[in-house]
Amino acid sequence: KQEVTQIPAALSVPEGENLVLNCSFTDSAIYNLQWFRQDPGKGLTSLLLIQSSQREQTSGRLNASLDKSSGRSTLYIAASQPGDSATYLCAVRLTIGGKLIFGQGTELSVKP
Amino acid sequence: SAVISQKPSRDICQRGTSLTIQCQVDSQVTMMFWYRQQPGQSLTLIATANQGSEATYESGFVIDKFPISRPNLTFSTLTVSNMSPEDSSIYLCSVVRAGEEQYFGPGTRLTVT
Repeated sequence: KQEVTQIPAALSVPEGENLVLNCSFTDSAIYNLQWFRQDPGKGLTSLLLIQSSQREQTSGRLNASLDKSSGRSTLYIAASQPGDSATYLCAVRLTIGGKLIFGQGTELSVKP
Repeated sequence: SAVISQKPSRDICQRGTSLTIQCQVDSQVTMMFWYRQQPGQSLTLIATANQGSEATYESGFVIDKFPISRPNLTFSTLTVSNMSPEDSSIYLCSVVRAGEEQYFGPGTRLTVT
């Protein structure tokens, strides 16, 4: 059974720091992995999608990497801003058409 | 990307009543998904809705409690029936687009008193 774990559960950093959020999964045979952002009480915003054949994806200050063999993905946020404060969720899809399996999320707080 | 809207955005309901949540997508999709997010928890898939067929429910969720309609390729409803305080959650509609990228609606925040 695929399990997705995110560490740490919460993180507080001062504005301007570069930071890394971690996601691990138990079954390396994934189809893709997706990172989301969720603001309190709101829906999810898709940040980055990495297909199983890819090693990384970048969007602005965000960079996500994927190492299938070790069952890990990282989300790197450069020059963090207070507006980055949110919960970040990673999710894996095992097969095309299959459901997403979510981690518990990392709650990020960026202090001005 | 996908533009997904949900109605209502939030509601406070009494125990024993039912609430129907609507989900509208900006273009046609084959499958629509309904998720629940209980307070402080991650997302749990309730069911997958295909147009023209019955929804497929995940373990722990039943049609009598969460009936779903999918009348066309851009619209779906989820009803939360005979509500109890344990049903207080955010309910989210979701679709998959090209490359199997998944998108979510803004959510419906339900409080049952």
